[in-house]
Amino acid sequence: TQLLEQSPQFLSIQEGENLTVYCNSSSVFSSLQWYRQEPGEGPVLLVTVVTGGEVKKLKRLTFQFGDARKDSSLHITAAQPGDTGLYLCAGARDNYGQNFVFGPGTRLSVLP
Amino acid sequence: EAQVTQNPRYLITVTGKKLTVTCSQNMNHEYMSWYRQDPGLGLRQIYYSMNVEVTDKGDVPEGYKVSRKEKRNFPLILESPSPNQTSLYFCASSLGNYYATNEKLFFGSGTQLSVL
Repeated sequence: TQLLEQSPQFLSIQEGENLTVYCNSSSVFSSLQWYRQEPGEGPVLLVTVVTGGEVKKLKRLTFQFGDARKDSSLHITAAQPGDTGLYLCAGARDNYGQNFVFGPGTRLSVLP
Repeated sequence: EAQVTQNPRYLITVTGKKLTVTCSQNMNHEYMSWYRQDPGLGLRQIYYSMNVEVTDKGDVPEGYKVSRKEKRNFPLILESPSPNQTSLYFCASSLGNYYATNEKLFFGSGTQLSVL
């Protein structure tokens, strides 16, 4: 069974601070995705990383896929209250990239 | 507007009373899936469907049924709900390009189910 762990589980920071959240597994994934979920809504895709070592940037968010494709990190620079939410990582179960296993999430709160 | 629509948004029921949660997508997606979300456990897949009349079990299928008679609809059926099925349920869909490595899942807004 492929499992994903995320850390920390909860994170509360002040506006303007930087932070990194982690997604780890003992399994290799063909691709890995990051989603953000806000209260009362479904998750929304932020990014997909496919190649080991890949780094993608989305404004103040930087995503990295580990060289061995077993782990990933999300770094947020100068966090803003609008970044508040539940961040979920999801690994593709097979080579076809449609069926995903999700981590438990990191709940981020950015205080003004 | 491209969307995945789930109904109802909230549902309170009693043990043993059959219920159906509907899911519909307007994007002509091949792939659809149901997840349940519980605190500390994240999203766990219940069932998924690669196409019409093609369904398969996910990680936690016990106590659930699904059907895919039309491409746009993928209802989740609880024949005899129990309290341990109290959860937040999400339906999701994607294009279903079999060889793509970057499929994007579109999620509905969720159904909060309470079984008393």
